[in-house]
Amino acid sequence: VQLVESGGDLVKPGGSLRLSCSLSGFTPRSYAINWVRQAPGKGLEWVSGISGSGTSTFFADSVKGRFTISRDNSKNMVFLQMNGLRVEDTAVYYCARLVTTNYGLDVWGQGTTVTISS
Amino acid sequence: DIQMTQSPTSVSASVGDTVSISCRASQGISSWLAWYQQKPGNAPKLIIYVASKLMSDVPSRFSGSGSGTDFTLTITSLQPEDFATYYCQQADTFPYTFGQGTKVEIK
Repeated sequence: VQLVESGGDLVKPGGSLRLSCSLSGFTPRSYAINWVRQAPGKGLEWVSGISGSGTSTFFADSVKGRFTISRDNSKNMVFLQMNGLRVEDTAVYYCARLVTTNYGLDVWGQGTTVTISS
Repeated sequence: DIQMTQSPTSVSASVGDTVSISCRASQGISSWLAWYQQKPGNAPKLIIYVASKLMSDVPSRFSGSGSGTDFTLTITSLQPEDFATYYCQQADTFPYTFGQGTKVEIK
């Protein structure tokens, strides 16, 4: 079971970026996937989640209206589209698998770094 | 949104000590609480879910308790590999908010 993030980069404020999370070793449609970020030297912040089917999505207030989440179960991929990026979005972004509703995140990727700076 | 408050922010302890970390939710979350361990440069690791259920690869010196709004993570007989930062997360209602973390340091 493995999750691998990609797509992190250095972007100017106001710019856009799409992060990808590649899923392997399990049936994608059976699991919700969440994104969690960690700013340098700071704690964990839950960002977004998407159900196994992709029909339900959830966002933190800090990113609502700017970020969207989607998935392609046929390609074992989950995406986080980030628009209107701000300096405070600078962080390591992790994708993680939700064991089942209410249980917690049992498998995490290694993270991808997003830096927002002019 | 549900706010999660951990205490203490950090704790210094010696190998063999017992450490307890508190996590309080701003509203009742039943038993929908998870605990994570994070070491520098690594992704977090789920150690306890549904407040008290241990992940299969986690040593029994870790335990969790509580329900409603007050929860505790206890580590007995602290080992060198346990020095890390611990986070609670409520899994009751989206957004699944985290506590601010508790760093367990070597005394």
